Amino acid sequence: DTEVTQTPKHLVMGMTNKKSLKCEQHMGHRAMYWYKQKAKKPPELMFVYSYEKLSINESVPSRFSPECPNSSLLNLHLHALQPEDSALYLCASSQRGLAAGYEQFFGPGTRLTVL
Amino acid sequence: DAKTTQPPSMDCAEGRAANLPCNHSTISGNEYVYWYRQIHSQGPQYIIHGLKNNETNEMASLIITEDRKSSTLILPHATLRDTAVYYCIVRVLDSGGSNYKLTFGKGTLLTVNP
Repeated sequence: DTEVTQTPKHLVMGMTNKKSLKCEQHMGHRAMYWYKQKAKKPPELMFVYSYEKLSINESVPSRFSPECPNSSLLNLHLHALQPEDSALYLCASSQRGLAAGYEQFFGPGTRLTVL
Repeated sequence: DAKTTQPPSMDCAEGRAANLPCNHSTISGNEYVYWYRQIHSQGPQYIIHGLKNNETNEMASLIITEDRKSSTLILPHATLRDTAVYYCIVRVLDSGGSNYKLTFGKGTLLTVNP
């Protein structure tokens, strides 16, 4: 298995809802990433997990809560989002962190719309 | 705070080589240069990366100048399916100074024409 999977593909939620995005990889990678991409903009890093521990938080609002329950799984819990949070949310993984020069592999993304 | 500069757009004829330039004049000695592409509404796709030497894989070739201040991604025989935004990225340290991350710039929209 050489891919990163993300579910759901599309998600529509209201501002009072709680939802979660899921990312999974079975390549034995020990670093996992969340990115946010607004329309016609490049991806922006949100969080990095290395060996299941949060290593980078790019000053993301607390309404986004990441979780890495095991080495294959990465979740992004969403609560009280705003319409401006509507975006494509991308997950990526790499064998180890970027310090070792390993490339990241991206999933297809979850298209989130906040009403 | 992307550390690379790329032209916003380029055109290429189908079947011809596409040469995408990238300037990274502030790169330090141990920094890798990564290339990704993103086809509309899909996740970015890894293409190639390198440190000092030129690299080649089944998708592309990466030519890095001797002073490492610039590089060129070469798609040897471009097809219509190569139409995408191509990102040249140099990894940077996070604000804490202890972890590396990739910061995407605006990239180059390559349009392959029939």
